[in-house]
Amino acid sequence: EDQVTQSPEALRLQEGESSSLNCSYTVSGLRGLFWYRQDPGKGPEFLFTLYSAGEEKEKERLKATLTKKESFLHITAPKPEDSATYLCAVQRPGGGTSYGKLTFGQGTILTVHP
Amino acid sequence: GAGVSQSPSNKVTEKGKDVELRCDPISGHTALYWYRQSLGQGLEFLIYFQGNSAPDKSGLPSDRFSAERTGGSVSTLTIQRTQQEDSAVYLCASSLGRSEAFFGQGTRLTVV
Repeated sequence: EDQVTQSPEALRLQEGESSSLNCSYTVSGLRGLFWYRQDPGKGPEFLFTLYSAGEEKEKERLKATLTKKESFLHITAPKPEDSATYLCAVQRPGGGTSYGKLTFGQGTILTVHP
Repeated sequence: GAGVSQSPSNKVTEKGKDVELRCDPISGHTALYWYRQSLGQGLEFLIYFQGNSAPDKSGLPSDRFSAERTGGSVSTLTIQRTQQEDSAVYLCASSLGRSEAFFGQGTRLTVV
């Protein structure tokens, strides 16, 4: 069974204090790893897709990286508006009825204080 | 529409009643997902539709839960004989094939 573990569960940062969130996964083959941001009372918002080890994607203050066992979401000089829950999800390759299914981790709650 | 639309946004129902939750995916998206999110928890997979293939129902928690997708577009998640443990936010998402999924705002279900 696919497993996705995110750490830490919660992270409090001061504005400008850079840090990283971790997403470890166990899956029978990986087609893609997805990062989402979720604000309270809203649905998850897509951030990045990573497909192969060594790949990196950047958007504003966020950079996502991927290895064969885990992914990191690096946050550089965060601002209070970066406060949210960050979710990662894995997707298997191949066909069958699980084609495309996303398995999510529990998320990391990030709070950035001004 | 521009995004995934879910209705109603909030639903309060009495224990034992049936409820229907609706999802309008992004036009042209072939895949549609339903997830459940309990307070402070991650996303629990319920069911996945991909084109004309048989849906992956492996996440449905009991036979009280069912879902259909009509005409490859709109989907309805039905919960029969609701229980208090069914209270959660039900999220729908759609994608083009296996590309990134886009989520709706969710339906908050409260069973009293």
